[in-house]
Amino acid sequence: QKEVEQDPGPLSVPEGAIVSLNCTYSNSAFQYFMWYRQYSRKGPELLMYTYSSGNKEDGRFTAQVDKSSKYISLFIRDSQPSDSATYLCAMSPGGGATNKLIFGTGTLLAVQP
Amino acid sequence: DAGITQSPRHKVTETGTPVTLRCHQTENHRYMYWYRQDPGHGLRLIHYSYGVKDTDKGEVSDGYSVSRSKTEDFLLTLESATSSQTSVYFCATEGVAGSPLHFGNGTRLTVT
Repeated sequence: QKEVEQDPGPLSVPEGAIVSLNCTYSNSAFQYFMWYRQYSRKGPELLMYTYSSGNKEDGRFTAQVDKSSKYISLFIRDSQPSDSATYLCAMSPGGGATNKLIFGTGTLLAVQP
Repeated sequence: DAGITQSPRHKVTETGTPVTLRCHQTENHRYMYWYRQDPGHGLRLIHYSYGVKDTDKGEVSDGYSVSRSKTEDFLLTLESATSSQTSVYFCATEGVAGSPLHFGNGTRLTVT
């Protein structure tokens, strides 16, 4: 079993829809949780960064962490065609341990105009 | 964008040949990382560096070596390329330990 599981999709939604992307994990030591967005033929770019449990909002994006269930989510409101990309979750135990950062396999999202 | 340039962007090589990929950054970031990205596996860490001449192995380091003689350059070498090393390789930098990673746009390597 992988430490981090992510549904690969593809997920296709109409413009304006609310999108929910999810990851589950097995390592209870993870404290830092990230979402990266990766456009085709480009490198990943950081979208959201959260510590421990709770919610964090940034514009149309909300990151949610439930450590008791070992489950994290990214919600995108009013989705736009420009949101079409692969979304990668990532998590680490923290303490500057970027070498222990584990990525999910990514979910491919397509927002149809 | 942290000013990361990867070269070459694409390369096709034959099995058994050595290959070197270059990562150049202009942000004076201390930490640098090499990842490979494969379908079904996500990003996996190959090697990383926490300063000039200081490097360490990641999860999938077999068959790879790295060197960092200057802050701005981090080289990844495939000693004798194999078909299993066909992948997209990403370099990333980190200014301060634990801060978000900045990625380059990748090198697509095909080993025939």
